[in-house]
Amino acid sequence: KQEVTQIPAALSVPEGENLVLNCSFTDSAIYNLQWFRQDPGKGLTSLLLIQSSQREQTSGRLNASLDKSSGRSTLYIAASQPGDSATYLCAVRPGDDKIIFGKGTRLHILP
Amino acid sequence: DAGVIQSPRHEVTEMGQEVTLRCKPISGHNSLFWYRQTMMRGLELLIYFNNNVPIDDSGMPEDRFSAKMPNASFSTLKIQPSEPRDSAVYFCASSRRTVDTQYFGPGTRLTVL
Repeated sequence: KQEVTQIPAALSVPEGENLVLNCSFTDSAIYNLQWFRQDPGKGLTSLLLIQSSQREQTSGRLNASLDKSSGRSTLYIAASQPGDSATYLCAVRPGDDKIIFGKGTRLHILP
Repeated sequence: DAGVIQSPRHEVTEMGQEVTLRCKPISGHNSLFWYRQTMMRGLELLIYFNNNVPIDDSGMPEDRFSAKMPNASFSTLKIQPSEPRDSAVYFCASSRRTVDTQYFGPGTRLTVL
């Protein structure tokens, strides 16, 4: 059974620093992996989607990497800003169409 | 496009009452998903539809939960009777195809007293 783990559960970082969020999954047979952002009281917003054949995806200050063989993905945020404060969730799609979410990392950027 | 629309945004009810949550997916999206989010269990998929047909309802916790999608622009999730442990935020999401990026609604916060 596929399990997705995100450690740490919470992270505080001074504004301007670069940071890395981690995601690990137990079964390397995945279709794709996504990173989502969730603001308090809101739904999820997709940030980046990496297909199983890809190694990374970039969008602005965000870069997501995927290493299927080791069951790991990272989300790199450059030059962090207070507006980046949110919960970031990693989600893995195995071959059967259902997404499996991690519990997220709650990120707080200190002004 | 207005995005995925959910109603109500908040629902407070008493144990034993029937609760109906509503969702309007993004026009042109063929797949619709219902999720439940709690602090303890995180985000869990309850059921998903493709072209209005339920494909997988293995995440529905028990017979008290039911979901319908009578047409491409509307879906309901019903809980009858509701229990305090059903308290959670319920999200609806839609996508063009099942494997594409999902777009989430703002959620319905349900409190069962």
